[in-house]
Amino acid sequence: AQSVTQLDSQVPVFEEAPVELRCNYSSSVSVYLFWYVQYPNQGLQLLLKYLSGSTLVKGINGFEAEFNKSQTSFHLRKPSVHISDTAEYFCAVRRMDSSYKLIFGSGTRLLVRP
Amino acid sequence: AAGVIQSPRHLIKEKRETATLKCYPIPRHDTVYWYQQGPGQDPQFLISFYEKMQSDKGSIPDRFSAQQFSDYHSELNMSSLELGDSALYFCASSSGLAGAGREYFGPGTRLTVL
Repeated sequence: AQSVTQLDSQVPVFEEAPVELRCNYSSSVSVYLFWYVQYPNQGLQLLLKYLSGSTLVKGINGFEAEFNKSQTSFHLRKPSVHISDTAEYFCAVRRMDSSYKLIFGSGTRLLVRP
Repeated sequence: AAGVIQSPRHLIKEKRETATLKCYPIPRHDTVYWYQQGPGQDPQFLISFYEKMQSDKGSIPDRFSAQQFSDYHSELNMSSLELGDSALYFCASSSGLAGAGREYFGPGTRLTVL
């Protein structure tokens, strides 16, 4: 079975400061890794995904994430956040074999303060 | 660009009533996924369809049923509604089974059971 752990339920940060949202996963099989963002009262929007190759993945809105196989982590980073980045961020995995569902972490609320 | 359409966007029902949620995938997408997100919870996979056949099944209650029609839209039917069914129901679509690709999420239907 797969599981995703987002240790921080809420991360407060000041505008223009850097931020890291942590994600660790557990799986007995190889998985694809994803980060989604959910703005209030909206659906899920894909930020970035890791499939293979370079462990540093760049996404939309200036976000990037680094896959670390030995630590089974996929932390999301942004060097300088904006007020508009305030949202819920979900880390998710999907098995590389026949299962197509996404398994989500519990989410991290990023709260950017002026 | 066309996105995933879900209707209705909001639905209020009484306990023990039935509800039908509809999902219209992006044109030429043949795969639909349903997720349930309870208040303050992460999205949980319910069921998926590929080419009108069920492709995967998650934690979907027996009171719920779903199908994908010939035009690829999907409907989630929920009977004997319970208070705990109050949630945001997301539909996502993809071209083929998502795998290494990606699915596109709709804005969700917010179901409130009173």
